[in-house]
Amino acid sequence: EIVLTQSPGTLSLSPGERATLSCRASQGVTSTYLAWYQQTPGQAPRLLIYGAFTRATGIPDRFIGRGSGTDFTLTISRLEPEDFAVYYCQHYGTSYTFGQGTKLEI
Amino acid sequence: EVQLVQSGGGLVQPGGSLRLSCAASGFIFSSYSMSWVRQAPGKGLEWVSTISNSGAMKYYADSVRGRFAISRDSSSNTVSLQMSSLRAEDTAVYFCAKDSPKYSSGWFDFWGQGTLVTVSS
Repeated sequence: EIVLTQSPGTLSLSPGERATLSCRASQGVTSTYLAWYQQTPGQAPRLLIYGAFTRATGIPDRFIGRGSGTDFTLTISRLEPEDFAVYYCQHYGTSYTFGQGTKLEI
Repeated sequence: EVQLVQSGGGLVQPGGSLRLSCAASGFIFSSYSMSWVRQAPGKGLEWVSTISNSGAMKYYADSVRGRFAISRDSSSNTVSLQMSSLRAEDTAVYFCAKDSPKYSSGWFDFWGQGTLVTVSS
């Protein structure tokens, strides 16, 4: 079973700064099935990125997904106040697997 | 507009049963797999179960296999999760989610609002 490890656990930044979130897989995965979600308190997750780099409908271009093999990143180029949330990576192979999440805080 | 509206949930005693439902609209229901994902209080996301677009294939996490049953009704565009032999560790917010791409699985592009299931005596 593939394990996704996200780092850092918590990232403290300010609006306007650049955020880089990491997701490392325990073995090489198919980029097609690597996704990123954003979750704010009390809300359902929202799909940001699928296929490792394709933004979902309505997602601003400041969200950038990259990576392949075992190492993937989500970069938020210029943080807006609404971007402070928890971010999860997810992979689909024989079943769905989520990373443990990165909390992006002010 | 895609909508997933959940119902069910609540407080149940250990060993009890509960049924969650999710009414879908705004897309061709029969073309997409549907899933349930849960989130224990203060914890991360955990995939629970997926049903294929036709309903022929059903998949479960090891933690719920044999206790939970997923189903879908194309006449009402509803996906359900029947939960039995509930344990304290099943306490979580349960989300239904629409799989993508069409006729397959890979990621979740739309989510329901979530419903809290609390297993406690």
